[in-house]
Amino acid sequence: DAKTTQPPSMDCAEGRAANLPCNHSTISGNEYVYWYRQIHSQGPQYIIHGLKNNETNEMASLIITEDRKSSTLILPHATLRDTAVYYCIVRVGRETSGSRLTFGEGTQLTVNP
Amino acid sequence: NAGVTQTPKFQVLKTGQSMTLQCAQDMNHEYMSWYRQDPGMGLRLIHYSVGAGITDQGEVPNGYNVSRSTTEDFPLRLLSAAPSQTSVYFCASRASAGQTFSYEQYFGPGTRLTVT
Repeated sequence: DAKTTQPPSMDCAEGRAANLPCNHSTISGNEYVYWYRQIHSQGPQYIIHGLKNNETNEMASLIITEDRKSSTLILPHATLRDTAVYYCIVRVGRETSGSRLTFGEGTQLTVNP
Repeated sequence: NAGVTQTPKFQVLKTGQSMTLQCAQDMNHEYMSWYRQDPGMGLRLIHYSVGAGITDQGEVPNGYNVSRSTTEDFPLRLLSAAPSQTSVYFCASRASAGQTFSYEQYFGPGTRLTVT
């Protein structure tokens, strides 16, 4: 799996957009970008994933650069409940064996009132 | 749907004791897995199952056993607890490649285990 690089921490004001970057310069053509988050003491929660095109769902938007070497997760109106560790994971989309997700250190996002 | 449920939420064991961590999902997912999370080490895969009757080892399987007799349940057994097994344990499930083309995993709330 391609390695990802994320800043260790970020701050964001409540109500503003939170933009979380992720570098994945060694990503392969068949690898997807996945984002999960983990709110303190809870299990990780899936947010969004994408291959090439930008994606949006009810939680967030995912912007992937044209060369696919980096991406940005956007929380359009951050709330205090969005304070969490955010993980960017690169993985092949179709799994043939195993069920493993490799979680790195992630980015600790703190939303301030 | 209840999603992925885990019991107990908290457990304290003495060294040498055995116990079973329960995990159940009601989404008819074929894939289920167990992770442990330790400070500064992220999530590490212990065991996983690709369907009823099929299990395999992850990266840290020693000291743990699993079985998968039904699609819904995937218990994790600690054979003889050691202080090194103090951790937070998460169970996860996801649909198989044949069910949906996605890698969205659903995680349970976790079991916090302390071994003294």
